[in-house]
Amino acid sequence: GAGVSQTPSNKVTEKGKYVELRCDPISGHTALYWYRQSLGQGPEFLIYFQGTGAADDSGLPNDRFFAVRPEGSVSTLKIQRTERGDSAVYLCASSLAGDEQFFGPGTRLTVL
Amino acid sequence: AQSVTQPDIHITVSEGASLELRCNYSYGATPYLFWYVQSPGQGLQLLLKYFSGDTLVQGIKGFEAEFKRSQSSFNLRKPSVHWSDAAEYFCAVGSGGYNKLIFGAGTRLAVHP
Repeated sequence: GAGVSQTPSNKVTEKGKYVELRCDPISGHTALYWYRQSLGQGPEFLIYFQGTGAADDSGLPNDRFFAVRPEGSVSTLKIQRTERGDSAVYLCASSLAGDEQFFGPGTRLTVL
Repeated sequence: AQSVTQPDIHITVSEGASLELRCNYSYGATPYLFWYVQSPGQGLQLLLKYFSGDTLVQGIKGFEAEFKRSQSSFNLRKPSVHWSDAAEYFCAVGSGGYNKLIFGAGTRLAVHP
């Protein structure tokens, strides 16, 4: 594809439910990043993958958040037992190692 | 700890006027610095970046930024603003060697006709 894609574009869920957010990076990009952008704030780093492995997950807020990238391409961010405070736009970016990050349009998550 | 401060939450300028958006960073080593723009419904787009070398960096859409180590600043400038420049602008510092980005809170730019 031409750019980073994220699905769904919007997700509304109820408190306590489980959600999965998907990111399709630019083909050939080995690095993949997840960020979270709360209303009125800049994006906040969550996790970085180089290939299949999570090289830095220091930004994950707690153990309800988990992300995978099993084949080194598509990544899924998983949130268990969602809370209202998880409501935000979740951004994915990909890059060639150490180079410019290209961002997707984001998934807007609303937890009711 | 690394951090980025964008002192101006909102800025309004007239079309055709010059623009400067401020950015200050805190980082122990030589920083990698970035400016991104985010338009409503659009993803973040990179305007320009500084890794090393010339401290005046040219970007897309007529933007430039100047790295000033002594002031820990990386201010974004444009000599003549267009109505289409209305958007939110984010300054970021990259760390960790793989450019884990730390963003400022953003500056929302409004352009009056």
